[in-house]
Amino acid sequence: KAGVTQTPRYLIKTRGQQVTLSCSPISGHRSVSWYQQTPGQGLQFLFEYFSETQRNKGNFPGRFSGRQFSNSRSEMNVSTLELGDSALYLCASSPTDREGYTFGSGTRLTVV
Amino acid sequence: AQSVTQLDSHVSVSEGTPVLLRCNYSSSYSPSLFWYVQHPNKGLQLLLKYTSAATLVKGINGFEAEFKKSETSFHLTKPSAHMSDAAEYFCVVSVLYSTLTFGKGTMLLVSP
Repeated sequence: KAGVTQTPRYLIKTRGQQVTLSCSPISGHRSVSWYQQTPGQGLQFLFEYFSETQRNKGNFPGRFSGRQFSNSRSEMNVSTLELGDSALYLCASSPTDREGYTFGSGTRLTVV
Repeated sequence: AQSVTQLDSHVSVSEGTPVLLRCNYSSSYSPSLFWYVQHPNKGLQLLLKYTSAATLVKGINGFEAEFKKSETSFHLTKPSAHMSDAAEYFCVVSVLYSTLTFGKGTMLLVSP
């Protein structure tokens, strides 16, 4: 079966712009989470959605937001981009929270 | 709150020798524990998971881990390293509503 698909794979944006990242989970997976990976901070939790509801949110500023659609696809938006937002953004999906997550290949965002 | 400590940032082994990657966790609730592997420029792949069943967990590619509640440890082992095992490994804890907390990672280096 198809894995977790993230688009686009690479993005280059300018400071102050906004960006939207997309994630299509594995069919039947209702839980979708987003993580930011940077060399300095490692992997940090952004937010988690289950059946279109945000169940949990990490310690990120309000510029980071997300949503989940009825087909479980999820989007993440970052507004007013800063240089420090340059990172690999990973999406993961799971059928339940005890099953372990399947991760996508990520979107590498570079802010210049 | 939960936390994960990976005791070694780098581990170097020779091909064919055993691998031991150490992980200690802290959790207020009964945790789920995972090991993920990340190859360069790739997403995260689930190696194995502990979800309160058998304490010795077998995963893919010959890896296994043992959950020791008294020591709050979940060390990853493999009897014989292969060159393809060279990657970064993450120990992960999860409690309640799917928030994954990642360790800082251990880079496994395998020499011929």
